[in-house]
Amino acid sequence: AQSVTQLGSHVSVSEGALVLLRCNYSSSVPPYLFWYVQYPNQGLQLLLKYTSAATLVKGINGFEAEFKKSETSFHLTKPSAHMSDAAEYFCAVSFYGGSQGNLIFGKGTKLSVKP
Amino acid sequence: GAGVSQTPSNKVTEKGKYVELRCDPISGHTALYWYRQSLGQGPEFLIYFQGTGAADDSGLPNDRFFAVRPEGSVSTLKIQRTERGDSAVYLCASSRRGGTGELFFGEGSRLTVL
Repeated sequence: AQSVTQLGSHVSVSEGALVLLRCNYSSSVPPYLFWYVQYPNQGLQLLLKYTSAATLVKGINGFEAEFKKSETSFHLTKPSAHMSDAAEYFCAVSFYGGSQGNLIFGKGTKLSVKP
Repeated sequence: GAGVSQTPSNKVTEKGKYVELRCDPISGHTALYWYRQSLGQGPEFLIYFQGTGAADDSGLPNDRFFAVRPEGSVSTLKIQRTERGDSAVYLCASSRRGGTGELFFGEGSRLTVL
């Protein structure tokens, strides 16, 4: 069965520091993987996705994620945090390899950015 | 509208009452999803529509939950005989077509069952 584990429910970084949000997945079929972001009082929005093309995926706002099959990981990174990055981030895996599109989400990681 | 619209944004009801939550997707999006998000958890899949039909309702927790999308646009999630455990934020999302995983979410309807 497909599942997603996000390590760390809260991550705090200083402005300008590296952001690393961890995601590990379990899937019996080649996964489609996604990161979504939820800013305060807004709906979730897609940050980036991996669908079996390039293993390094670039998303919006300077974020990127690398698919590592050997580690079953899809960690999200950003070289330099900005105050506006403070939000909750969700990793998700697609069921049936994307044929249905319904996603299985992790529990989320809340990112705080200190000035 | 430009985005996915959900109404009401907040609903407080008493245990045992009937509740309807409405979702107006982005115009032209054929796929529509309902998710439920409890405190401290990620969104949990409930049901997926492709057009007017429910393509996958495997996430509905029991027969008190039902959803319709009669004209392939607006959808209504219906909860009968509400229980305190139904309290959560109910999220609706739409996409141009099913299978992409690229969902556009509304801000959710927060349901509180007293």
